[in-house]
Amino acid sequence: GAVVSQHPSWVICKSGTSVKIECRSLDFQATTMFWYRQFPKQSLMLMATSNEGSKATYEQGVEKDKFLINHASLTLSTLTVTSAHPEDSSFYICSASWAGPAKNIQYFGAGTRLSVL
Amino acid sequence: GQSLEQPSEVTAVEGAIVQINCTYQTSGFYGLSWYQQHDGGAPTFLSYNALDGLEETGRFSSFLSRSDSYGYLLLQELQMKDSASYFCAVSGSYNFNKFYFGSGTKLNVKP
Repeated sequence: GAVVSQHPSWVICKSGTSVKIECRSLDFQATTMFWYRQFPKQSLMLMATSNEGSKATYEQGVEKDKFLINHASLTLSTLTVTSAHPEDSSFYICSASWAGPAKNIQYFGAGTRLSVL
Repeated sequence: GQSLEQPSEVTAVEGAIVQINCTYQTSGFYGLSWYQQHDGGAPTFLSYNALDGLEETGRFSSFLSRSDSYGYLLLQELQMKDSASYFCAVSGSYNFNKFYFGSGTKLNVKP
C-alpha cells in the first residue's frame, strides 16, 4: 500500500514553455502533498506544501508564480513550471502523507527529471 | 530555520555495522525520520523517532536524543544493496508534517 505515482518521469522542453507534473496517491487519500527539488548528489529541497482545497504554502525563496501548485483532490496534486528556463532543469519529487496513524511518514513518487533546452 | 548535518560519505564492507549520525538545529521539533534513496530513485521511509531512545526495524535501528539534538541510523549486517544515500529529516510542525532533509550520506558497501 501507500503508492504515489508521479508523471511524467522524464520531460524535455524548450525554454519559455510550461510543464505540468502530476502526483497521485493511488491507494490512500493524501491530506498533504509536498513538492521537492533535488540537484545531483544533493539533498531534497522542500519547495511547497499543499493541502487539498487550499492554497499551497511555499518555502522562502520559491517563486509561487513560477511554480504553480494545485491540489484539487485528495489524490492529485500538480506542479506547473511556467515559462521554464534552463536553470529550472532539475529532479522534481512529490510526496504525500495522510492523517492516519502513519501521519509522520511521507511516501514519495519516483520523481520527474526536467531538462529545459 | 532548520539545519541538519550528516557525514557526506561512509564506506563499509559487507556484513559490517555502520552508524550514520545526524545533528540538527530547528525551531520547533516533532520528530526525526530516516529515508533511503538509491541513485535515480525515490526516497523510501526507513524509520521515525519522536521520543528519545532506540527504534529497531529489522537490520535498521534509529536512535534519538532530543536533549542533544542528535540522532543516528544504525545499519547491521550490511548488504551490497544497502549502497545508497541516507537522509535524516526533521519535522518541526505537527499539523503540516513538513520535513526538512539533511544533506544526505552516501553509503558505499564493498565486498
